Amino acid sequence: QTVVTQEPSFSVSPGGTVTLTCGLSSGSVSTSYYPTWYQQTPGQAPRTLIYTTNTRSSGVPDRFSGSILGNKAALTITGAQADDEADYYCVLFLGSGISWVFGGGTKLTVL
Amino acid sequence: QVQLQESGPGLVKPSQTLSLTCTVSGGSIRSGSYYWSWIRQPAGKGLEWIGHIYTSGSTNYNPSLKSRVTISVDTSKNQFSLKLSSVTAADTAVYYCAREILAWGQGTLVTVSS
Repeated sequence: QTVVTQEPSFSVSPGGTVTLTCGLSSGSVSTSYYPTWYQQTPGQAPRTLIYTTNTRSSGVPDRFSGSILGNKAALTITGAQADDEADYYCVLFLGSGISWVFGGGTKLTVL
Repeated sequence: QVQLQESGPGLVKPSQTLSLTCTVSGGSIRSGSYYWSWIRQPAGKGLEWIGHIYTSGSTNYNPSLKSRVTISVDTSKNQFSLKLSSVTAADTAVYYCAREILAWGQGTLVTVSS
């Protein structure tokens, strides 16, 4: 069974830059997996940040960017702010059978 | 801008069938080539894709839930629905509906308990 991997937690200083990654337990992530990224704060529904690797959703600040780095999808936050503290999830399309599989999420702390 | 709203019972007994409806506003469920998804999240845990349905009616389900899941669409009501049979406490979660996996509803908590 293919697992989508994310760092369990990450910390960044205010104003700093952080890159979160989304990988596969077996194989490399490419644009063909349509990586999508979400931000979720407590009690709220996930907010779509990035889809199809690097397209920002409407209203998402350009300090959020998506890419492929090596064999993983990546979400980079440039100039981190206090309200970026949240859980971040990625999801990958693994084919017509399995379809979408979410990563376990990364808890980002800004301090 | 499309909006989605989940509705249905907040409490379901073990072994019964969970039934939820997602009402779409701000656009016709028939327009465009979208698929309509259900996703869930147990308290304190991560997200799990349940399945989706295309406007044509074709479906894809999470293999781990496939034997218990049915997703259907009612274009006349601009709604799509989720049925999950033989529920247990492990099915207790916030259930979200979404257009594709991009525009999400606010979610509804379903608790499985006697």
